[in-house]
Amino acid sequence: AQSVTQLGSHVSVSEGALVLLRCNYSSSVPPYLFWYVQYPNQGLQLLLKYTSAATLVKGINGFEAEFKKSETSFHLTKPSAHMSDAAEYFCAVSVRGSQGNLIFGKGTKLSVKP
Amino acid sequence: DARVTQTPRHKVTEMGQEVTMRCQPILGHNTVFWYRQTMMQGLELLAYFRNRAPLDDSGMPKDRFSAEMPDATLATLKIQPSEPRDSAVYFCASGLAQGAALYEQYFGPGTRLTVT
Repeated sequence: AQSVTQLGSHVSVSEGALVLLRCNYSSSVPPYLFWYVQYPNQGLQLLLKYTSAATLVKGINGFEAEFKKSETSFHLTKPSAHMSDAAEYFCAVSVRGSQGNLIFGKGTKLSVKP
Repeated sequence: DARVTQTPRHKVTEMGQEVTMRCQPILGHNTVFWYRQTMMQGLELLAYFRNRAPLDDSGMPKDRFSAEMPDATLATLKIQPSEPRDSAVYFCASGLAQGAALYEQYFGPGTRLTVT
């Protein structure tokens, strides 16, 4: 069965600092991997996705993630945090051929201090 | 721009009442998902449809929940009777699947349900 683990339910960084949100997955077959962002009282918005092309994936708002098969990881990074990045971030896995069924991690709430 | 819409955005009801949530997927999308989000369980998939046919509803309590797609522009999630433990935010998402591949789901703003 597939699963996703996000380390740290809450991460706090200073404005301008590096953002690193961790995600590890478990899948018996090559997965598709996603990061979504949720702002307060809104739905989820796709940040980026890995679907077996380049292992370093660039997304919106300056975020990127690297797929590391040996570490079963897909960590999300951004070089310099902005106040507007404060939100909850979800990592998700979808198994090829699963008709798009997403398994989500528990989420990491990112706070950005001025 | 194209968006998934959900109604109502907020619903407060008493235990035992019927609740119906509606979703309009993005025009042209052939796959619709229903998720539930709670603090304790996070995001859970309840059911999803492809070309209006249910593909999987194993995440849904069968005795009280039902999901349908009366037509391609409307998906409904019904709870009857509702219970306090059903209090959550319910999200609808849609996407375009090509073969077995579906790379992106677009989420609606959610329906916040409170059952007292």
